[in-house]
Amino acid sequence: AQKITQTQPGMFVQEKEAVTLDCTYDTSDQSYGLFWYKQPSSGEMIFLIYQGSYDEQNATEGRYSLNFQKARKSANLVISASQLGDSAMYFCAMREGSSNDYKLSFGAGTTVTVRA
Amino acid sequence: EPEVTQTPSHQVTQMGQEVILRCVPISNHLYFYWYRQILGQKVEFLVSFYNNEISEKSEIFDDQFSVERPDGSNFTLKIRSTKLEDSAMYFCASSRQGRLETQYFGPGTRLLVL
Repeated sequence: AQKITQTQPGMFVQEKEAVTLDCTYDTSDQSYGLFWYKQPSSGEMIFLIYQGSYDEQNATEGRYSLNFQKARKSANLVISASQLGDSAMYFCAMREGSSNDYKLSFGAGTTVTVRA
Repeated sequence: EPEVTQTPSHQVTQMGQEVILRCVPISNHLYFYWYRQILGQKVEFLVSFYNNEISEKSEIFDDQFSVERPDGSNFTLKIRSTKLEDSAMYFCASSRQGRLETQYFGPGTRLLVL
C-alpha cells in the first residue's frame, strides 16, 4: 500500500493567489513526521516545512503552511501569494518514528505552474 | 547556511562500468542517506548510514551498490557494474539526528548509463 498519496499530478495557479496541494498518508505509527519538499526544474530538493504527529499547531514557514488533519490523515500544503518562482514539483514525504526506520517515503508529486 | 554538496553534477557512463558518486554532508550531521529518482518518477530510498555502518537499505540496494565514509567529510555511493536502469538522479541527504529530524538534500547527481 502507498504510504503517501498525492492525487493532483498538476495544478495551475494565478500569480498572487493561494494554492493547496493535497497529501494523504497511511501509517499505524503514533509518532511520525510529515515533510514537504520543492523540486524546481533544476532538479534539487528543497525542504519547505515539517509537521510532527504530536504537534498541535499547524506548521507555518513564511508563505508555506501545512493544514494537518490527523483524523483524516491528511497534510495539505498551502502556498499563499504565489510567485512565478513557485513553479516546481512539490513532494510530500513521511518518516515513521516508532521503529529504526529512517527512510523518507515520498508521494508521486504535484507539479505547480504559476501563471502571470 | 550549510548545505549538502554532491559531485559530479552529471555523469555519463557505459553499461558495466563502475561509478562513484560523492557527497559532502552538512558537517554536524550524523545520519546520511542516498535516494534516487528515475526520470518522471517518485523519489526512492536506497540506504541510510550511521556510525560507519548501514542502518537500513531498500530492496533496490542490492550487491551492486555500496556506501562508504572514507574520511570525516565524504560519503560515497558506488555502483559496481552499472545497468541501463540505473540511469537516474541520485540524491544524498543528511540529518542531524535520526528518527524525525529533517533530511537536507544535496543538488543531486544525474547519472546516465549508455
